[in-house]
Amino acid sequence: GAVVSQHPSWVICKSGTSVKIECRSLDFQATTMFWYRQFPKQSLMLMATSNEGSKATYEQGVEKDKFLINHASLTLSTLTVTSAHPEDSSFYICSARVPREVNQPQHFGDGTRLSIL
Amino acid sequence: AQSVTQLDSQVPVFEEAPVELRCNYSSSVSVYLFWYVQYPNQGLQLLLKYLSGSTLVKGINGFEAEFNKSQTSFHLRKPSVHISDTAEYFCAVMTPNAGGTSYGKLTFGQGTILTVHP
Repeated sequence: GAVVSQHPSWVICKSGTSVKIECRSLDFQATTMFWYRQFPKQSLMLMATSNEGSKATYEQGVEKDKFLINHASLTLSTLTVTSAHPEDSSFYICSARVPREVNQPQHFGDGTRLSIL
Repeated sequence: AQSVTQLDSQVPVFEEAPVELRCNYSSSVSVYLFWYVQYPNQGLQLLLKYLSGSTLVKGINGFEAEFNKSQTSFHLRKPSVHISDTAEYFCAVMTPNAGGTSYGKLTFGQGTILTVHP
């Protein structure tokens, strides 16, 4: 149980375009989802916490207008990288919390490799 | 505030040798501790966790870790590694009583790349 699906797994696009990444909880309802960015050979950097039905909470230094997060339902959160540029190329990972599950705080998707040309 | 330090960025070992990946944390409150594994181009998979009780916890794939409160450490061990254990390993902490938007937040270490050679 507690499967998180992330789509697409890999995307390549031209500079200036916007890219949407989806994160779905397949067999549970997730009131909270997290979005991370991971640079090569580095740890996961939390970008924002996505709460269903409310605005996302962004970490310090993360541009809200650049990385738009929408959590419109209990099973879907989306991250849109607007007007993407090569420096936005990275590995993006989402995770979701199972409500009231204290012993495994987050279940992770398989990540999205974003490459901006 | 919490922080996690993984003391080794890379650990090369030979197959069937024992391995220890080190993790130290800093926190002013009680924490839960986790080890995750990440294979290339994949998300994170939970290896094991310490919430309370016995300080020696066993996880999947033959891994175990020991919580040492006095040394604020949570080192990961495996007595005999396989080629398939080659991956990156992350230590993480969570404050169980954090409220509001901090609930469920994980703080990760920098990661340790384990490379198992034949």
